Amino acid sequence: EVQLVESGGGLVQPGGSLRLSCAASGFSFSRYWMIWVRQAPGQGLEWVADIKHDASDEYYVDSVKGRFTISRDNAKNSLYLQMNTLRAEDTAVYYCARLTQWIELSYYMDVWGKGTTVTVSS
Amino acid sequence: EIVMTQSPDTLSVSPGERATLSCRASQSVNSKLAWYQQKPGQAPRLLIYGASTRATGVPARFSGSGSGTEFTLTISSLQSEDFAVYHCQQYSYWWTFGQGTKVEVK
Repeated sequence: EVQLVESGGGLVQPGGSLRLSCAASGFSFSRYWMIWVRQAPGQGLEWVADIKHDASDEYYVDSVKGRFTISRDNAKNSLYLQMNTLRAEDTAVYYCARLTQWIELSYYMDVWGKGTTVTVSS
Repeated sequence: EIVMTQSPDTLSVSPGERATLSCRASQSVNSKLAWYQQKPGQAPRLLIYGASTRATGVPARFSGSGSGTEFTLTISSLQSEDFAVYHCQQYSYWWTFGQGTKVEVK
């Protein structure tokens, strides 16, 4: 069964750090681009960061550039999100998802984890 | 940034009835449009990609149409398990989502 399981969320003070993990199983993890998406309370979904299958490229939404780092360990079938200098507006459920290629190098999210909750509050 | 706008915000439908959800993009995304279903406390589930292709295991009562800037998700006969929030997403230029349409029991 194709599965993604996130962990590492929790309560952290503003300015603090957290590292999220996403364990993949049931597919060839090293062949896929991966992505982190978040959903703030009562809000829509927002792309946060994505990473190429071999970790040679990574991209971020402007609001997290310089604070978050996406990485992966293909030997461990794992995806990570290091979050530093956290702000209240980073409070959200964070999902990892698999990207599948469609036409013209476009990618949609076909498998999602259940998410992990990050709360930034003093 | 491509802005995605869904309408209505909430759709009240009786079981067995047809539901039609709309999604508009601020600029053309061709057919690079996906629909996701999300139930409370659960992750989004892919329903449709390429504007009209059903994902594996998605019932035939779900259909997608449109291209360019206007898209529609139709649920032909609502079942109890279909009451949820539906998100559209463009993947033409990075990824952006609509605000979601909640389909509730009338």
